[in-house]
Amino acid sequence: GESVGLHLPTLSVQEGDNSIINCAYSNSASDYFIWYKQESGKGPQFIIDIRSNMDKRQGQRVTVLLNKTVKHLSLQIAATQPGDSAVYFCAEKRREAAGNKLTFGGGTRVLVKP
Amino acid sequence: NAGVMQNPRHLVRRRGQEARLRCSPMKGHSHVYWYRQLPEEGLKFMVYLQKENIIDESGMPKERFSAEFPKEGPSILRIQQVVRGDSAAYFCASSRLAGGNEQFFGPGTRLTVL
Repeated sequence: GESVGLHLPTLSVQEGDNSIINCAYSNSASDYFIWYKQESGKGPQFIIDIRSNMDKRQGQRVTVLLNKTVKHLSLQIAATQPGDSAVYFCAEKRREAAGNKLTFGGGTRVLVKP
Repeated sequence: NAGVMQNPRHLVRRRGQEARLRCSPMKGHSHVYWYRQLPEEGLKFMVYLQKENIIDESGMPKERFSAEFPKEGPSILRIQQVVRGDSAAYFCASSRLAGGNEQFFGPGTRLTVL
């Protein structure tokens, strides 16, 4: 079935380096994408979102890139800090979905080494 | 401005018992979503409710699971006759607008079935 998935389950990064987390989606009807950060024992926390009519969006230390041609989404974290250690999920909302149902990918664990 | 509240945070039940999970959305939010998360996996949509209405329950198991969002009080996710496979983290999210994209998540309820 159609789904949102991730390429890398775990990413180790040195403190201060940049992190790139990738996500693939298969439904061309997806029109909205979100990245969430989930720390241990907590609920997902919104990081940044992007609509399908955009290919790049920047926030504070984070950038999301959307490549609709290959159905690929990435999250870039600049100058990764220890507090960035968490599991990151991409999620998508489909144009035809009733309400605001989100479909989540499997997650990437980011480990920041001091 | 309090965020999404969920209680209990941890719930232990024996097989065959009932589990009741409660969710109070953010102030001003009238749209509630329930998701289930198994260890090391992404969140899976269960149900989307507005006050006194179930809008989308396409992710709910057909038996033993029910959800409500009454006019007054929190949203309730009810699991009857729990089985070990129901052990998971259950997250509630809320949004302000029907078409609003951003969902704010609560801290989750971790259900353990013995």
